[in-house]
Amino acid sequence: DGGITQSPKYLFRKEGQNVTLSCEQNLNHDAMYWYRQDPGQGLRLIYYSQIVNDFQKGDIAEGYSVSREKKESFPLTVTSAQKNPTAFYLCASRGSGQSGELFFGEGSRLTVL
Amino acid sequence: DAKTTQPPSMDCAEGRAANLPCNHSTISGNEYVYWYRQIHSQGPQYIIHGLKNNETNEMASLIITEDRKSSTLILPHATLRDTAVYYCIVRVKETSGSRLTFGEGTQLTVNP
Repeated sequence: DGGITQSPKYLFRKEGQNVTLSCEQNLNHDAMYWYRQDPGQGLRLIYYSQIVNDFQKGDIAEGYSVSREKKESFPLTVTSAQKNPTAFYLCASRGSGQSGELFFGEGSRLTVL
Repeated sequence: DAKTTQPPSMDCAEGRAANLPCNHSTISGNEYVYWYRQIHSQGPQYIIHGLKNNETNEMASLIITEDRKSSTLILPHATLRDTAVYYCIVRVKETSGSRLTFGEGTQLTVNP
């Protein structure tokens, strides 16, 4: 079935370590997105990419990095510069056209000890 | 950027219609209104979207006012499984592409 796969679902890391969250989609979507969600809060946009080899900062990009070397993959690295990385991270992709809706993965929960 | 405003929480009785409002007074003419919902610790689920006309699908109806400054999501016969956070968002178009910015959403609780 087509969809978006995020991995790992749960991740524990020590403070100061970089971690990379995987996001893969087989929907042939051009656009992909990363959001962060804190408990009881809405989703905040970290980075997004409209096409391969191009990406844009969202509202809270500091301390994060991304790459888009392949259409189906949009990994997110949470660097040691991110002050408070413990959160729920959601990846999404969107079909082409003005009205394309977002499809979300199941999320990755990162806990920094 | 066009922002949305939603009430933080609402309650609804099971079997009754749930009407969730959203204000988007700065929406531009070519921006769509989307609705998603999120059940705890899962990825958000697409519900419906619209531009000007009212829309209906198997999940819900979307009523958009004539001036497009507000909309209402209607769940015609709410069930306990409809308890979730509902997000109303507006598609923002930028020169480098477009992004979707989420607000805080409305926590809908359907009571038996």
